Parts: sequence; C-alpha cells; structure tokens
Amino acid sequence: QKEVEQDPGPLSVPEGAIVSLNCTYSNSAFQYFMWYRQYSRKGPELLMYTYSSGNKEDGRFTAQVDKSSKYISLFIRDSQPSDSATYLCAIPYNFNKFYFGSGTKLNVKP
Amino acid sequence: EAQVTQNPRYLITVTGKKLTVTCSQNMNHEYMSWYRQDPGLGLRQIYYSMNVEVTDKGDVPEGYKVSRKEKRNFPLILESPSPNQTSLYFCASKREQGRDQPQHFGDGTRLSIL
Repeated sequence: QKEVEQDPGPLSVPEGAIVSLNCTYSNSAFQYFMWYRQYSRKGPELLMYTYSSGNKEDGRFTAQVDKSSKYISLFIRDSQPSDSATYLCAIPYNFNKFYFGSGTKLNVKP
Repeated sequence: EAQVTQNPRYLITVTGKKLTVTCSQNMNHEYMSWYRQDPGLGLRQIYYSMNVEVTDKGDVPEGYKVSRKEKRNFPLILESPSPNQTSLYFCASKREQGRDQPQHFGDGTRLSIL
C-alpha cells in the first residue's frame, strides 16, 4: 500500500468555482501534511502545510486534515485561470524523507 | 537570485552509457534531494543528503548513485542507464535537514534512455 494516494483527475472547472483536491494516507503516525503546486515545465513549489488535524487558511486556499479518516484536502475558492497547475499532496517523514501523491492536474477555464 | 540549477535540462542517450546530472544550489542549504516524476506515480524520492558526505536512500534508489563532496553540489549518477530510468528528474534543497522548511526545486531534467 502506498503511503499517500491522490485522486488522479484531471479536473476542469469554470473560473470562480470552488475546487476540492483530495488525498488519503496510510500511516496514522503522520503528523505533517503539505500541498505543492507545479506549473507546466517547472519544479513543484510549496503552497501550504498543516500540522495534525483541522483547517488552515491562506487567502483563497484552505488545507484540511481529518486524521480519523486519514484524509487531507485542499480547497480553492474563487478559482482563477492562474490556478491551473498540478497539485501534489506530500507527507514529510522526519522532514528528510518525503512521500508525494501522484498529483491532480487542474484546469480552470476562463 | 536564489535558485537550484540542474544540468542538462534535456538528454537523450543510450542504454549503458554512464551519465551524470548535476545539481547546484546557491543558498548554502544543508539538505538536498533527488526525485523522479513519472505519470501516475507522482514524485518519488531517489536519494537525499543531510549534509556534506551524509546521504541516505529514498524510496527508489536502485540504479542510481549520489555524492555530496561540497555543500552546494549534489550530482546524480546513472552508472549503467536503462530504459526504465527514462523520467523527469528534480533536484531540491532546503535550509536544514530534519526541519519543517520548504524545499526549493529545480526546473527538472528530462532523461530519455533508448
């Protein structure tokens, strides 16, 4: 079983829609959860990270962790064409070893 | 400008011909790492380095070698490349090992092994 699984997408939404991106993980000992954004032909960049359960908000982005179901989500409000990218969830094991999801490609249509 | 630089950006080569992908960072970062990215499999960690002369295996180290002789450089070596190593490779660095700091990624090296 993979440490982290991600909905593969792709996802295509109209501008202004609310987007929900999701991952599940296998090990209940994981405490930190990250979301990276990757534009075409570029390396990933860290978008947000959360610790343990609950929500964390940053502008139009909200990261949510449900440890009871081992489920992590990223919500994007008022999505923009500039949000079109691949989104990867990631779990840092001791912050040296990292497990990434397979990525969800998002297209926001103007 | 703070950056992680990978070379080459693109390479087509043949099975068995040794190759090295270089990675250099100008941020004096302690930690560096290599990943490969394949469709449907996401990013998988190959090797990482916590400091000069300190390296450890990631999830998919088979067929790869690394060295960290200087803080700024972390080359990835394929001694005898095979077609299943055709992939998009990323190098990353962060300020300190074992700390919750963002990784800075290079723009990738696309390797095709025929």
